[in-house]
Amino acid sequence: KQEVTQIPAALSVPEGENLVLNCSFTDSAIYNLQWFRQDPGKGLTSLLLIQSSQREQTSGRLNASLDKSSGRSTLYIAASQPGDSATYLCAVESNYQLIWGAGTKLIIKP
Amino acid sequence: SQTIHQWPATLVQPVGSPLSLECTVEGTSNPNLYWYRQAAGRGLQLLFYSVGIGQISSEVPQNLSASRPQDRQFILSSKKLLLSDSGFYLCACSRSPETQYFGPGTRLLVL
Repeated sequence: KQEVTQIPAALSVPEGENLVLNCSFTDSAIYNLQWFRQDPGKGLTSLLLIQSSQREQTSGRLNASLDKSSGRSTLYIAASQPGDSATYLCAVESNYQLIWGAGTKLIIKP
Repeated sequence: SQTIHQWPATLVQPVGSPLSLECTVEGTSNPNLYWYRQAAGRGLQLLFYSVGIGQISSEVPQNLSASRPQDRQFILSSKKLLLSDSGFYLCACSRSPETQYFGPGTRLLVL
């Protein structure tokens, strides 16, 4: 059964730092992997989607990588800003289902 | 593009009362539909998914049920709510391999 783990559970860094969020999954037979952002009281926002055949995706200051063989993905945030504060969720898609990690709560201190 | 509507936005219900949460989708046809729940301090948990009208698959045993009376309507129900049903309920749709789209969610508090 697919399991998704995110480390760390929480992270607090000063503004301007580059940071990495980690996501691991137990079954490499995935269709794609997504990174989401969840702001309190709001719906999820999809940040990046990496198809199983891809190695990475980039959007602005965000870069997500995927290594299926090792069951890992990282979300790299460059030059962090206070507005990046949110919970970041990783999810893998298998058999039309999304399996979610518990999220990393990120706080960027001004 | 897809738009997902959920209502109500928030709900406070007593233990033992019934529940009905509705999700409707615009901008697509024949989507896969999902109900997720996020309990406090935990990740999102898939509750139900549907690949078509009247086709419902359940992921976890629980006192909740789901129905899909129309192509773009997905309903989450309960006859008697438990305290443990409190949480944030998200409806999502997809037409893989595209991204899943999520609704704004319903925050349910059972007292």
